[in-house]
Amino acid sequence: QSALTQPASVSGSPGQSITISCTGTSSDVGGYNYVSWYQQHPGKAPKLMICEVSNRPSGVSDRFSGSKSGNTASLTISGLQAEDEADYYCSSYTSSSTYVFGTGTKVTVL
Amino acid sequence: QVQLVESGGGVVQPGRSLRLSCAASGFTFSAYDMHWVRQAPGKGLGWVALVSYDGSRKYYADSVKGRFTISRDNSKNTLYLQMNSLTTDDTALFYCAKDIVGPTAAWGQGTLVTVSS
Repeated sequence: QSALTQPASVSGSPGQSITISCTGTSSDVGGYNYVSWYQQHPGKAPKLMICEVSNRPSGVSDRFSGSKSGNTASLTISGLQAEDEADYYCSSYTSSSTYVFGTGTKVTVL
Repeated sequence: QVQLVESGGGVVQPGRSLRLSCAASGFTFSAYDMHWVRQAPGKGLGWVALVSYDGSRKYYADSVKGRFTISRDNSKNTLYLQMNSLTTDDTALFYCAKDIVGPTAAWGQGTLVTVSS
């Protein structure tokens, strides 16, 4: 049950696009379309941004999009805004019927 | 609206036990698998355990297997986590959550467990 691998930090200027990767194995990310992305601001509970690889829940800005290729899922934030500065985590279902989170990525808006 | 309210956290000595509860409202509790997820201070999210909608299936992270027990009472719309043989590594904010990879995901605000002598 190793954590999914994410870059520790990603940064970008307002208006730019950034992409966060989430690398797992064929037993988790690569094997199922049950990958989600969460945004977490300091002191707050995680907020779902993307579910089932690329679906955006109601109310989430269309600046957020998700995709997957092989064992790596990605979250792209377009038109970066100051309010996007937060920690982001991916999550996946696994072949053991358990779940696993990513190591987390701190997004900084320059 | 969906509400998940955790309780039962506190300060406990290493080796002791604690039981967390999560009161659910605003959705059909008995229709959803439920999870516990934890976050150590300044660290990332860690999945802890899952109980199926009817309580028949339970799954655990290796780090808590044999020490923690997840359960639910659908008549009370409540989720539980019995934690035994606690260690300092279990110090964390514990979240109750539903449907964590699906479109109806919801999380509580968490209850803090501190294991310290």
